[in-house]
Amino acid sequence: DTGVSQNPRHKITKRGQNVTFRCDPISEHNRLYWYRQTLGQGPEFLTYFQNEAQLEKSRLLSDRFSAERPKGSFSTLEIQRTEQGDSAMYLCASSLALYGARDEKLFFGSGTQLSVL
Amino acid sequence: RKEVEQDPGPFNVPEGATVAFNCTYSNSASQSFFWYRQDCRKEPKLLMSVYSSGNEDGRFTAQLNRASQYISLLIRDSKLSDSATYLCVVNMNGNQFYFGTGTSLTVIP
Repeated sequence: DTGVSQNPRHKITKRGQNVTFRCDPISEHNRLYWYRQTLGQGPEFLTYFQNEAQLEKSRLLSDRFSAERPKGSFSTLEIQRTEQGDSAMYLCASSLALYGARDEKLFFGSGTQLSVL
Repeated sequence: RKEVEQDPGPFNVPEGATVAFNCTYSNSASQSFFWYRQDCRKEPKLLMSVYSSGNEDGRFTAQLNRASQYISLLIRDSKLSDSATYLCVVNMNGNQFYFGTGTSLTVIP
């Protein structure tokens, strides 16, 4: 394993359906982040985990969104009752964050492109 | 005001030209700074970190000005393969990375 892996690469769904995405981080990384990116914009922070603990959630993350990282390994992001406005690229990134260090860097997966019809 | 602001461009430059991008950030207590490169429909990839002393990697030079809260990226001798979107990234509180909207660069033959 040499990088962050995301599945599926593409997801087309009908409005109102639930979808789940998976992210497998770089194995020795302790932090995992979820971002959302729409065309012409930079990635927007959604949430992040340190090991298995979800430490922060963006105001962008409505009640329809939930993320988990059981056992501090892979993570899932679920969107319930999808809306057309949820159409975006969902990016996962992982990092190795050491206490007191300031050189934490994000490494991204290829993303999951969601289209809600 | 957005946490990180960039001129979206587009910048269209001829091969061999020198091009510079700037980025400003809102939080003076920000801790670390980066430039990422993103190709069309691909994920962002780390280009370089930005240090107060400035740093250089081949044709790429990054500078940080803490007093004015801006970051710059200079690309010398532009290549066709440099065409991409360049994202300015700031880590503001040790655990949140804020991205600019990106600056689009097209290098023309």
